[in-house]
Amino acid sequence: DAKTTQPPSMDCAEGRAANLPCNHSTISGNEYVYWYRQIHSQGPQYIIHGLKNNETNEMASLIITEDRKSSTLILPHATLRDTAVYYCIVRAKYNTDKLIFGTGTRLQVFP
Amino acid sequence: GAGVSQSPRYKVAKRGQDVALRCDPISGHVSLFWYQQALGQGPEFLTYFQNEAQLDKSGLPSDRFFAERPEGSVSTLKIQRTQQEDSAVYLCASSPGEGGSEKLFFGSGTQLSVL
Repeated sequence: DAKTTQPPSMDCAEGRAANLPCNHSTISGNEYVYWYRQIHSQGPQYIIHGLKNNETNEMASLIITEDRKSSTLILPHATLRDTAVYYCIVRAKYNTDKLIFGTGTRLQVFP
Repeated sequence: GAGVSQSPRYKVAKRGQDVALRCDPISGHVSLFWYQQALGQGPEFLTYFQNEAQLDKSGLPSDRFFAERPEGSVSTLKIQRTQQEDSAVYLCASSPGEGGSEKLFFGSGTQLSVL
């Protein structure tokens, strides 16, 4: 799996959009970008994944650059409950190997 | 069940004691993973089961760690002769397919404190 780089921490005002960047310059053509988040005292929670097209679901939007070397997870209207550690992971979709987590970005949403 | 269930939620052990941590995956899920998470770190892979078969145990830190899933559903992670460095949150995850190919569903973990 390709390695990812994320900022260790970010702040966001409640109600504003939170934009979390991830660099994955060594991503391969068959590797997807996955995002998970971990709220304090809980296990990680799947958010979204994508290959090259932008994706949106009820939780977030994922914007992947044309060269696929970086991506941004967007929480359009951050709430206090979005305070969590966000992990960006790249892997082949049908890779049956384990999911490898980095250290993620700690997002603090403030009132 | 509605989600992955882990028990106990908290466990305090004296150094040298044996502990057993239980994971009830989502019914019908083929794959089951155990992760260890130290304070302030991301989850670290321990071991992976596909049904009852343990296909990968490369992350188990020592032979004091043992995991099983005898009937392809409930799994138990056992740690023998616990040490202080074993203190961590132990997370279990399951997925409907093989491996981590799609999304994993995680439990809330067992927080183990070894005194």
